[in-house]
Amino acid sequence: EVQLVESGGGLVQPGGSLRLSCGASGFTFSSYWVTWVRQAPGKGLEWVANIKQDGSEKYYVDSVKGRFTVSRDNAKNSLYLQMNSLRAEDTAVYYCARQRGSYSLDSWGQGTLVTVSS
Amino acid sequence: EIVLTQSPGTLSLSPGERATLSCRASQSVSSSYLAWYQQKPGQAPRLLFYGASSRATGIPDRFSASGSGTDFTLTISRLEPEDFGVYYCQQYGNSALTFGGGTKVEIK
Repeated sequence: EVQLVESGGGLVQPGGSLRLSCGASGFTFSSYWVTWVRQAPGKGLEWVANIKQDGSEKYYVDSVKGRFTVSRDNAKNSLYLQMNSLRAEDTAVYYCARQRGSYSLDSWGQGTLVTVSS
Repeated sequence: EIVLTQSPGTLSLSPGERATLSCRASQSVSSSYLAWYQQKPGQAPRLLFYGASSRATGIPDRFSASGSGTDFTLTISRLEPEDFGVYYCQQYGNSALTFGGGTKVEIK
């Protein structure tokens, strides 16, 4: 069974940093692109970043470029999101998801809540 | 950036009725890269369709999807109680994924 489990969310002050993790199991992690998607409270879904199988390509939504960094460790079957210079508008549930060749997201974690507030 | 506009914002229907959801793109989208998701309160989204019309694993055949270019449609032929929730379309283009704003299907 494919499983993705996020961790690392919490309350952080504006301007602070947080590192999210996503552990994968039940599939060959190194064979897939993986993606971060976020959802602000009561709002819709927003793609944040994704990363190629070997980490050689990474893409970000404009609003997080220069502040967030996506990375992965295939030996640990893990995906990461380093978030710096956090703003109130980054408050959201952050999901990691497995990305298919069609750029659809076929398996999702349960999400981890990040709250940016003083 | 390709913008996806979903309509209606909310659809109020009774179990057994037909639901038709629209997703319109600001410019042409490759059908290969158009997907639909269902999300229920407190849960992660679930993939329904990829490639505009290919049903994901385990999705009942009362769900269907179609479209090309800038206009895509998700249809639920006969609503079941478990079908109520929010539906999102999503596309890939120019190295970015974007989601529509969602259509909420609620019980009338």
